[in-house]
Amino acid sequence: DSGVTQTPKHLITATGQRVTLRCSPRSGDLSVYWYQQSLDQGLQFLIHYYNGEERAKGNILERFSAQQFPDLHSELNLSSLELGDSALYFCASSIQSGAHNEQFFGPGTRLTVL
Amino acid sequence: AQSVTQPDIHITVSEGASLELRCNYSYGATPYLFWYVQSPGQGLQLLLKYFSGDTLVQGIKGFEAEFKRSQSSFNLRKPSVHWSDAAEYFCAVGSMEYGNKLVFGAGTILRVKS
Repeated sequence: DSGVTQTPKHLITATGQRVTLRCSPRSGDLSVYWYQQSLDQGLQFLIHYYNGEERAKGNILERFSAQQFPDLHSELNLSSLELGDSALYFCASSIQSGAHNEQFFGPGTRLTVL
Repeated sequence: AQSVTQPDIHITVSEGASLELRCNYSYGATPYLFWYVQSPGQGLQLLLKYFSGDTLVQGIKGFEAEFKRSQSSFNLRKPSVHWSDAAEYFCAVGSMEYGNKLVFGAGTILRVKS
């Protein structure tokens, strides 16, 4: 158990819908990262927040957005869902924002878009 | 841009045999290098990491990896594989220059035969 929690574990929805994925980082960690794991793209970095501020963006679609709240939990919002958005979404946390800091991964949320 | 290549998609080894998983990276400066393991339905767990210093690093579960700058490689090894090592293994590279995100290889699925 990494100490990072993600809810829900599974999510099944229809095209065009909007969903919210939630992540609670390990106690004391200020950085939250979101990754998408799909069969065709592999593990891709989406976005990084540090202490409530966005620090870096990766291959995140405009239909996707995220935020980190004052209590440091983070939410990833996916809208106008398409079949291709079906994937495993991971959240990771680390103490600080440096690349040398170990990222602890949550168990993931499996999103299925029908 | 950073990239990570894991040339072997699948590897099968006999229980008790030695293991080497290959990883090559493309990056200009000294990267931070990681190996993660993902068991089915689980998140990613860090096996080991390299930042600087001794190029042979020890990790958990009896794994080690060697950083070879001249070959841009960071191969993972284990002298004697156990059936419980069957999983997917990911090599990843991080750097502050690229926003502290992790760039992952495509992964290598390890099968252990008894």
